[in-house]
Amino acid sequence: QKEVEQDPGPLSVPEGAIVSLNCTYSNSAFQYFMWYRQYSRKGPELLMYTYSSGNKEDGRFTAQVDKSSKYISLFIRDSQPSDSATYLCAMSARYSGGGADGLTFGKGTHLIIQP
Amino acid sequence: EPEVTQTPSHQVTQMGQEVILRCVPISNHLYFYWYRQILGQKVEFLVSFYNNEISEKSEIFDDQFSVERPDGSNFTLKIRSTKLEDSAMYFCASSIVTDTEAFFGQGTRLTVV
Repeated sequence: QKEVEQDPGPLSVPEGAIVSLNCTYSNSAFQYFMWYRQYSRKGPELLMYTYSSGNKEDGRFTAQVDKSSKYISLFIRDSQPSDSATYLCAMSARYSGGGADGLTFGKGTHLIIQP
Repeated sequence: EPEVTQTPSHQVTQMGQEVILRCVPISNHLYFYWYRQILGQKVEFLVSFYNNEISEKSEIFDDQFSVERPDGSNFTLKIRSTKLEDSAMYFCASSIVTDTEAFFGQGTRLTVV
């Protein structure tokens, strides 16, 4: 089972607000969690990745993983109109046999930051 | 900044024709991937490639698909006999280690008519 659920939005917030984006998943084997940003008709751009549970901060972005709840979040502080994009969560399990596992993506949340 | 490069950006082909989508991964990366995104749907994993062989493939990657690394820089996806439902954005990605930090190209939009 490799399902990842993500509210597609759109999510519209005023400039400067704190944005919270979330994903839930069902496969307890997932250990690596990523957030990508995708502009219309462009490739996904890696924003953050975390391993297992915990928090990771990078500038205005904070990623949180709660493996016990199978829930991950991305927070954007001081949101800017240039943050308007679709945000995709993605996950991966590393199997004991190694190899390059495929990422399982959420459908993406369309975020609009109003000036 | 190094990036994954894909060509062409848009390809239109007739149903039943063969297409080859091309990618130049980041030069020091060892793992290569193809994903696709049908309009309005999730990005879906197709195949991963390491050490000149397929590492993992999804159910979508059936016998009409193949991948190749013909030289030290290119990585290609071939679709032998295209179907209307193959119309999608196809993304190539690469990573130094397994796909924990995979970098994506800008995609090739494939339209099958």
